[in-house]
Amino acid sequence: QKEVEQNSGPLSVPEGAIASLNCTYSDRGSQSFFWYRQYSGKSPELIMSIYSNGDKEDGRFTAQLNKASQYVSLLIRDSQPSDSATYLCAVGDTGRRALTFGSGTRLQVQP
Amino acid sequence: ETGVTQTPRHLVMGMTNKKSLKCEQHLGHNAMYWYKQSAKKPLELMFVYNFKEQTENNSVPSRFSPECPNSSHLFLHLHTLQPEDSALYLCASSQEWKGPNEKLFFGSGTQLSVL
Repeated sequence: QKEVEQNSGPLSVPEGAIASLNCTYSDRGSQSFFWYRQYSGKSPELIMSIYSNGDKEDGRFTAQLNKASQYVSLLIRDSQPSDSATYLCAVGDTGRRALTFGSGTRLQVQP
Repeated sequence: ETGVTQTPRHLVMGMTNKKSLKCEQHLGHNAMYWYKQSAKKPLELMFVYNFKEQTENNSVPSRFSPECPNSSHLFLHLHTLQPEDSALYLCASSQEWKGPNEKLFFGSGTQLSVL
């Protein structure tokens, strides 16, 4: 059973702080990693993708991948109340082809 | 708007009813998906269609019947559902069903309640 684990939260951070969201996965053959943001009552929206070890930055978002330790994280700098949402980690491998999603971490940014 | 439209947004049905969910994408994509999202659970892939052909059926009970008449439209026909089928049903599309690097674009979902 290939699994993707996330802490359900809520993770509460003050406005302006760095929010750190973590995800671990069980399949060492995983090759692609995605972060989706889902506002309450809305659909998931892709915000980051990462395929190789290291950091990938896009605006206030940084995705970090460590394949040896089998974790991927998402850092949100200068967190805003509008970042309050559930963040879904998704992992893909060539064998299964379909993405495996985690249950999501709910982030609350306090004004 | 993501370019993927789902109707209806909310649906309440009895266990003996027959209803259908509709999805339409305006992105020129060739792959379409049905996902189920239950509270506190990961997104579950149900079906995948690539160029109108069903390529994945993730052991979904036969009371869920998908239909893909063309690359832009996807239906999920429902009949004799159970209360545990109550969930958010999400449609998604991607350029093509090639593998794990595909980026998904989701519709707003249909919140289904089975009484």
